[in-house]
Amino acid sequence: AQSVAQPEDQVNVAEGNPLTVKCTYSVSGNPYLFWYVQYPNRGLQFLLKYITGDNLVKGSYGFEAEFNKSQTSFHLKKPSALVSDSALYFCAVETDKLIFGTGTRLQVFP
Amino acid sequence: DAGVIQSPRHEVTEMGQEVTLRCKPISGHNSLFWYRQTMMRGLELLIYFNNNVPIDDSGMPEDRFSAKMPNASFSTLKIQPSEPRDSAVYFCASSSLGAGARSSYNEQFFGPGTRLTVL
Repeated sequence: AQSVAQPEDQVNVAEGNPLTVKCTYSVSGNPYLFWYVQYPNRGLQFLLKYITGDNLVKGSYGFEAEFNKSQTSFHLKKPSALVSDSALYFCAVETDKLIFGTGTRLQVFP
Repeated sequence: DAGVIQSPRHEVTEMGQEVTLRCKPISGHNSLFWYRQTMMRGLELLIYFNNNVPIDDSGMPEDRFSAKMPNASFSTLKIQPSEPRDSAVYFCASSSLGAGARSSYNEQFFGPGTRLTVL
């Protein structure tokens, strides 16, 4: 069975510092991988996806993620965090069905 | 573009009552998804439609839940009878998918959600 894990419930980072939100997955076959962001009282918004090709994927708002097949990871990164990046971030994976991780709350402090 | 529209935004009802949640997808999108979000279970896919046809309803919790998509611009999720454990935020999302594509191939656009409280 496929699964996706976000090992950190919360990540705290100072504004201007780099941020990483971790995601690992367990699937058979070739997965599609995604990051979505959720702001308070809003639906999820798409950030980026990996389907095939270059392992480094660039997305919205300066975010990027690297697909690492050997480590089965798809960590979300940003070189310089903004206070406005504070939100709930979801990693998702699909082979035959889209499954979301439990979410990681990112808190960026001024 | 108005985005995905859901109504009502909030619903409070008593156990045993019928609840109907509504969704209008983005015009031109041919796939529609219903999700449920709770603290305990996170975000779960309940059902998705492609070209108004239910493709995967394996996430529907039980027979009390039903979903319909009578046309390309409208879908409903009905719970009858409702129970307190159904309390959650229900999201509708839509996307545009080509024939044979995996359901997630293209970006899904989420509505603002309906917060359901069953007393």
